[in-house]
Order: sequence, then structure tokens, then C-alpha cells
Amino acid sequence: EPEVTQTPSHQVTQMGQEVILRCVPISNHLYFYWYRQILGQKVEFLVSFYNNEISEKSEIFDDQFSVERPDGSNFTLKIRSTKLEDSAMYFCASSSGTYSYEQYFGPGTRLTVT
Amino acid sequence: EDKVVQSPLSLVVHEGDTVTLNCSYEVTNFRSLLWYKQEKKAPTFLFMLTSSGIEKKSGRLSSILDKKELFSILNITATQTGDSAVYLCAVDGNTGKLIFGQGTTLQVKP
Repeated sequence: EPEVTQTPSHQVTQMGQEVILRCVPISNHLYFYWYRQILGQKVEFLVSFYNNEISEKSEIFDDQFSVERPDGSNFTLKIRSTKLEDSAMYFCASSSGTYSYEQYFGPGTRLTVT
Repeated sequence: EDKVVQSPLSLVVHEGDTVTLNCSYEVTNFRSLLWYKQEKKAPTFLFMLTSSGIEKKSGRLSSILDKKELFSILNITATQTGDSAVYLCAVDGNTGKLIFGQGTTLQVKP
């Protein structure tokens, strides 16, 4: 069964460093999303991406964040200069958007900023 | 402000019990309501509901949506220890952005 994959599963970085989180969405899906979940809190929307551009972004998704689909399979989230408060689980999700808008989530990357 | 509220926040039952989880929402636009099960990490998709009154069913799990009263319920019958998880409700406000509730933590004891 097709699934969303994410790498790495855990990333530890120092404050101020740049990180890139990687996702491979389900192959025939057209819509891609990033969410984050700070420990003990709700899952929060960051950004949606369709047709090689951002469709919508939340207030959290400031200039420190960027997304890219560098090739036909990967979808990345870059945080330019990490802060302590960026520590969270980051989930990538995708949906086909053609027959259904169900979003399927990857296993997540736990980002720890020290 | 769009919001999704789940209740109860946590629940402890014994194997074989039936549970009902609640989700109410207030959103500007509505396309669908989704239920997910979150065990260790990723939310796993359970149901997507778009129309009122039509029950979706998968094994021992079922869900229904009431668009007039703005809520949904998720029922689990004959619970098993493997049902222990956080159950998340989310609303798609027609843009693909999912607004999540805080989740209901279900613990099923043997």
C-alpha cells in the first residue's frame, strides 16, 4: 500500500542552524502539506503546496520557513535559522485532490533544537 | 476563529466496552471532517465525512456527521487493547488546511 515517507526520523540541531526535512508523498498525489505538533499540543497546519507553489500558509510559516519540490518525488521543508521553539514533530501529508481530499500522513520527523 | 473541540479529552474503558468520541466544530467554510488514529507517531486516516446523516463504517468503528448541529461522533464497539490511541478530529475548511482538535486519549484495559 502506498505511503508517505519522511527522513530523517529524528534530527537534533543547534539553535541558529538550518535544517531540511524531507518527505516523499504518495506518487500520484497532487497536494502536499506540512504540519507540526509540539509535544502535548494540537497538530497545527503550516503550509499547503500545489502545482509547484504555496497554496496557503499559516502565521507560523514565517520567512524562516520555505518549501520546495526539487524533483518529481521529494517535498522538503527548510527552516533557515532554527529556534528552540521550533522543536516539534513535523508531519508531511499528501492528498490526491482528484478523486478525494483525504490527507495521508507520514511518520514524522522529530526535530530537537538545542 | 475556526475551532474544533473534542470530548472527552481522555477515557479509560475495559475490553469489550463501547465508546463514543465527540467532535464539535465552528468553521467559516466546511468541506469535510476527518477522523484519525494516532498511536506512536503519524495520524492514521480512519474516515472522511462530507454529508450529514450518512454513517461511515469500518469493522468495529463507525462515524456520523451532523452538519446542522456541527458535530460528529466516532463509535468503537467491542473495544480491544489495540484501540488504545489518541483519536484526532480535523475539519477541512475547503482549502485543504486541516484544523485539528486536541484529541481524545483512549485507554482500553484488558
